[in-house]
Amino acid sequence: DTAVSQTPKYLVTQMGNDKSIKCEQNLGHDTMYWYKQDSKKFLKIMFSYNNKELIINETVPNRFSPKSPDKAHLNLHINSLELGDSAVYFCASSLKGGETQYFGPGTRLLVL
Amino acid sequence: DQQVKQNSPSLSVQEGRISILNCDYTNSMFDYFLWYKKYPAEGPTFLISISSIKDKNEDGRFTVFLNKSAKHLSLHIVPSQPGDSAVYFCAASATRVHAGKSTFGDGTTLTVKP
Repeated sequence: DTAVSQTPKYLVTQMGNDKSIKCEQNLGHDTMYWYKQDSKKFLKIMFSYNNKELIINETVPNRFSPKSPDKAHLNLHINSLELGDSAVYFCASSLKGGETQYFGPGTRLLVL
Repeated sequence: DQQVKQNSPSLSVQEGRISILNCDYTNSMFDYFLWYKKYPAEGPTFLISISSIKDKNEDGRFTVFLNKSAKHLSLHIVPSQPGDSAVYFCAASATRVHAGKSTFGDGTTLTVKP
């Protein structure tokens, strides 16, 4: 059973499009995260939700909007995609904020 | 401002020898530290952690050392195996803070040669 799953695994799209990435965890965790890993391989947190409530919102353009319909899901919607959005996006979850995180396999986004 | 730094982007060791991966941090609020291992095309997986009340934590071939005064931690792998070849990320968080989050370093690529 996959603990943290993301769809799609690969996403190739044109500049200006709107796209969504979905994440689901079956670990019963309260906290979920979105990270961006850029070309320099640096893992940078974007958002964190605890029990559907936004608790961390780093300096991310407001084109990025996370949505948590329930505590097992945290989706990421990106409007008006730009070339610089090309990266690998990782979803993660943890029992509580700041503790050991379990990562999904990543979504490789390429904006052309 | 990069609060967690891994100054060696890569490390190469011979199978059977010790691998030492280093990590420095600047935020004195950090009190919980983790190492993650990442294979290509996969997400990072948790390896070992240490709380600031300890200076050493061991799990099989993996030992993490913490020097709070120097704001430095290291991961020792003994003996190193070819399957250990991966990118290793250190991470730090302030668990006392309700909205704690882990801040990651930018990774060290370990290559273990047979």
